[in-house]
Amino acid sequence: DSGVTQTPKHLITATGQRVTLRCSPRSGDLSVYWYQQSLDQGLQFLIQYYNGEERAKGNILERFSAQQFPDLHSELNLSSLELGDSALYFCASSVGAEWETQYFGPGTRLLVL
Amino acid sequence: AQKVTQAQTEISVVEKEDVTLDCVYETRDTTYYLFWYKQPPSGELVFLIRRNSFDEQNEISGRYSWNFQKSTSSFNFTITASQVVDSAVYFCALKLIQGAQKLVFGQGTRLTINP
Repeated sequence: DSGVTQTPKHLITATGQRVTLRCSPRSGDLSVYWYQQSLDQGLQFLIQYYNGEERAKGNILERFSAQQFPDLHSELNLSSLELGDSALYFCASSVGAEWETQYFGPGTRLLVL
Repeated sequence: AQKVTQAQTEISVVEKEDVTLDCVYETRDTTYYLFWYKQPPSGELVFLIRRNSFDEQNEISGRYSWNFQKSTSSFNFTITASQVVDSAVYFCALKLIQGAQKLVFGQGTRLTINP
């Protein structure tokens, strides 16, 4: 158990809908990272937050947004969903901001029908 | 633009053999991080190592070792005396330390260790 939790584990929704994925980092970790893994795009980095502030941005679509709250949990919001958004979404956390050892959650599997 | 190439799509070896996974990267920047991640059949991701571009020393962690060579832009990963539990997809990745902060992954190498 990495200590990083993600909810929900599975999510099935329809095109055009909006969903929110949640991530709770390990106790004491200030950074949260979001990744997407799909058959088409492979593994991609989406975004990093450190202590509530956006720190690094990857291939995150404009339809997607994220934030990190004062209690350090993070949410990834996906809107106007398309079939191609079906993927495994991972969250990871680390103590600092410099991409040192990251601990991954189990992932949220999103299926868009 | 940054790029990471893992030319070996799949590797299959017999248990106890040594195996090296290749990773070649492209960047014009001089300051960057290199990473390796493991994804076992169960699907979770496991962080293995982060290497700073300033530090070209090889690293060993148990049966795992990493060879970083700036001259050839490579960051290869060797598993010594492989075990069935090493079976996984392994990803190499590159991230610039300054400027664009995007992390770029290779396509991954699927390693199968046969008993």
